Amino acid sequence: EIVLTQSPGTLSLSPGERATLSCRASQSVSGSYLAWYQQKPGQAPRLLIYGASNRATGFPDRFSGSGSGTDFTLTISRLEPEDFAVYYCQQYGSSSTFGQGTRLEIK
Amino acid sequence: EVQLVESGGGLVQPGRSLRLSCAASGFTFTDYAMHWVRQAPGKGLEWVSTINWNGGSIDYADSVKGRFTISRDNAKNSLYLQMNSLRAEDTALYYCGKDFTDSSGWQKLLDYWGQGTLVTVSS
Repeated sequence: EIVLTQSPGTLSLSPGERATLSCRASQSVSGSYLAWYQQKPGQAPRLLIYGASNRATGFPDRFSGSGSGTDFTLTISRLEPEDFAVYYCQQYGSSSTFGQGTRLEIK
Repeated sequence: EVQLVESGGGLVQPGRSLRLSCAASGFTFTDYAMHWVRQAPGKGLEWVSTINWNGGSIDYADSVKGRFTISRDNAKNSLYLQMNSLRAEDTALYYCGKDFTDSSGWQKLLDYWGQGTLVTVSS
């Protein structure tokens, strides 16, 4: 099983700042089958990024994903108030596993 | 508009059974694999099970293999999860989700999620 480790566990930033979230896999993720989901309190997760770098419908271009192999990054270029949430990475190249999540909170 | 509505959750004693349902609408149900993903209270996400478009291919997480059974009724646009021999560690919000890819297989990439149904296993 591929284990995904997200860092940091909690990220405290202010609106307008840049956020960088990391997802590291215990072994290479085949085909860059790496996704990111956004989850707000009391809501279901929403698909944000798939194939490591493809933005899902409905998300603005301040969200971007990058990486390959074992190291992946989600970047939010300029934080808006609605971006504060928990973000999960998921690999779907070998069955499916999720990271433990990064909580992005307002500083 | 894609809608997924789960039902069937509740409080159940350890060792007992429960059947979850997910009613789907707003897309061609038979074109997509479907999934169950769960989230324990205050915890992260865990993939549980996947079924392809016609039920011919099924996969389970090791944690539920042999106890849970996924199925679908394409005539009713519905997905099910039969959960037997429930344990305290099965306590979670159970989400059903639609696969991203319209193919005979799956990608285990969920582009739409329901709001979940809560299963609590406790004596």
